[in-house]
Amino acid sequence: QKEVEQNSGPLSVPEGAIASLNCTYSDRGSQSFFWYRQYSGKSPELIMSIYSNGDKEDGRFTAQLNKASQYVSLLIRDSQPSDSATYLCAVKGRGSTLGRLYFGRGTQLTVWP
Amino acid sequence: ETGVTQTPRHLVMGMTNKKSLKCEQHLGHNAMYWYKQSAKKPLELMFVYSLEERVENNSVPSRFSPECPNSSHLFLHLHTLQPEDSALYLCASSARQGDTEAFFGQGTRLTVV
Repeated sequence: QKEVEQNSGPLSVPEGAIASLNCTYSDRGSQSFFWYRQYSGKSPELIMSIYSNGDKEDGRFTAQLNKASQYVSLLIRDSQPSDSATYLCAVKGRGSTLGRLYFGRGTQLTVWP
Repeated sequence: ETGVTQTPRHLVMGMTNKKSLKCEQHLGHNAMYWYKQSAKKPLELMFVYSLEERVENNSVPSRFSPECPNSSHLFLHLHTLQPEDSALYLCASSARQGDTEAFFGQGTRLTVV
């Protein structure tokens, strides 16, 4: 059983602060990791992907991956109220040649002005 | 126009009805998926199709019947559903091979009464 665990939150941060979202996964052979953002009533939207250990930065977003610890995180710098959403961690299953993903429950983030 | 389009966006059906959900992708992808998203639960993978062949069925009840007539279209036929089947049904697609991301449609909000 592949499991992806996230703190459900809610996580509440003030505007301009750094929001830190965490995710752990059970399948040690997983190779691909994704963060999706889902606004209420909307479909998930891919915001970050990471495949190698270390950090990957894209604008205000930084994904961090530590395969030894089976841990992936997402940092949002200079948080904005528009970042308020549920953030889903997704892991691609081992040995899969497809984009088949396993998701965590999501962390609800609220950024207050 | 989004890359993955789902219709209808909202559906209310009785337990004795038969209805179908439709998904169409314009991304040239070869793999398509049905996910179910219920409140407070992770996204659940239901079915995977690769090049129109079903490659995975995650123990989904037979009252859900998928159909993939070509690589651009995916259907989910529904019959004799239960109220607990009420959820957001999301279609996604991805390229066939490699570390590829999945792209989601807007979803169909299904309510079974």
